Amino acid sequence: DIQMTQSPSTLSASVGDRVTITCRASQSISSWLAWYQQKPGKAPKLLIYKASSLESGVPSRFSGSGSGTEFTLTISSLQPDDFATYYCQQYNSLTWTFGQGTKVEIK
Amino acid sequence: QVQLVESGGGLVKPGGSLRLSCAASGFTFSDYYMSWIRQAPGKGLEWVSYISSSGSTIYYADSVKGRFTISRDNAKNSLYLQMNSLRAEDTAVYYCASHDYGQPVDYWGQGTLVTVSS
Repeated sequence: DIQMTQSPSTLSASVGDRVTITCRASQSISSWLAWYQQKPGKAPKLLIYKASSLESGVPSRFSGSGSGTEFTLTISSLQPDDFATYYCQQYNSLTWTFGQGTKVEIK
Repeated sequence: QVQLVESGGGLVKPGGSLRLSCAASGFTFSDYYMSWIRQAPGKGLEWVSYISSSGSTIYYADSVKGRFTISRDNAKNSLYLQMNSLRAEDTAVYYCASHDYGQPVDYWGQGTLVTVSS
């Protein structure tokens, strides 16, 4: 199975900060990577697909980049609504795997 | 609008069985792949299984292979997960999710909690 490793596990930041989360795959997944946002007690929400494509309705402060084994999710200016947990997910293989999550907390 | 509503969760003893259902509406169910994804309390997301739009292609995570069975009834717009030989580590919120072939999840249900405990 393809392993997905996110870093950091927790990130403390302030409103207005630029935030970057990294996701590494144990083998190449081309660009078949998605990013989700999850708030407590809620289902995840798709933010980015195919590594860098913004899902409809998602604010443009969210962006994704990378290919192969290294990917990043960037929030250009953190807003109060962005404090949440973020997950990467590969869908290159027939069995999917998620990263362990990155919790973005208020500093 | 798209709605996915899970049901069937609850408390079950180790070794027991449970069947989850997911009622879909607001889209052409028979055109979409469907998945079950779970989340243990306080933990991350774990993909469990997916089924193709016709039901002919199915994959499982190694952690549930041989114990769980995914199925769908396109006439009833419903997805199912039969869970047998349940273990404590299967305790989680189980989400029903829809997606296109080769694409990530775009719609999620609200989840149903399964607790495996004696």
